[in-house]
Amino acid sequence: DGGITQSPKYLFRKEGQNVTLSCEQNLNHDAMYWYRQDPGQGLRLIYYSQIVNDFQKGDIAEGYSVSREKKESFPLTVTSAQKNPTAFYLCATSWKSSYNSPLHFGNGTRLTVT
Amino acid sequence: KNQVEQSPQSLIILEGKNCTLQCNYTVSPFSNLRWYKQDTGRGPVSLTIMTFSENTKSNGRYTATLDADTKQSSLHITASQLSDSASYICVVTVYEGDSNYQLIWGAGTKLIIKP
Repeated sequence: DGGITQSPKYLFRKEGQNVTLSCEQNLNHDAMYWYRQDPGQGLRLIYYSQIVNDFQKGDIAEGYSVSREKKESFPLTVTSAQKNPTAFYLCATSWKSSYNSPLHFGNGTRLTVT
Repeated sequence: KNQVEQSPQSLIILEGKNCTLQCNYTVSPFSNLRWYKQDTGRGPVSLTIMTFSENTKSNGRYTATLDADTKQSSLHITASQLSDSASYICVVTVYEGDSNYQLIWGAGTKLIIKP
């Protein structure tokens, strides 16, 4: 069953705690991305990775960290430094990091921090 | 500033009716425009991708148009079905050469189909 798996679907945390969101893919895509979606706003890019052991900051990287130790996996850690972490987080992949490569998305993790 | 504006914000229509969603952009330099469908609580799924030279592209009951002169795109849905209830997102790619590109996302139009 090919695709992108994000887990868990729902996540609840107390303020001040770090939390890690999982993203696994078996599409053999090189590029992976993390987006944040808030109501009434367009998706915003947090981090992206074009290749294993390499990643770059997106538009809103502050308070987040990532790793890319394996091609299939791109976990996102939301740290206590992120001022407003409650949001819907989407992981995406593309065959290459290219302006004309379509994005394939997982089904998201909804994070609630209280 | 690169921007993508979608209208309306939300739309309710009866099953079987047609509808058109709008996307206006102020982006430079333009590379391509994509439409995504996002069901509630799910990730977006690509419907179409259009380059500068393409005016119309269809995907089943979905037809996207692009007017690069006026910087407008529309997504027309024919004979709507209950499963069309979703948010529809317009995304424009800014490409400045080499590997330097950026996706500019619209906020989406929430479409509700009533039986």
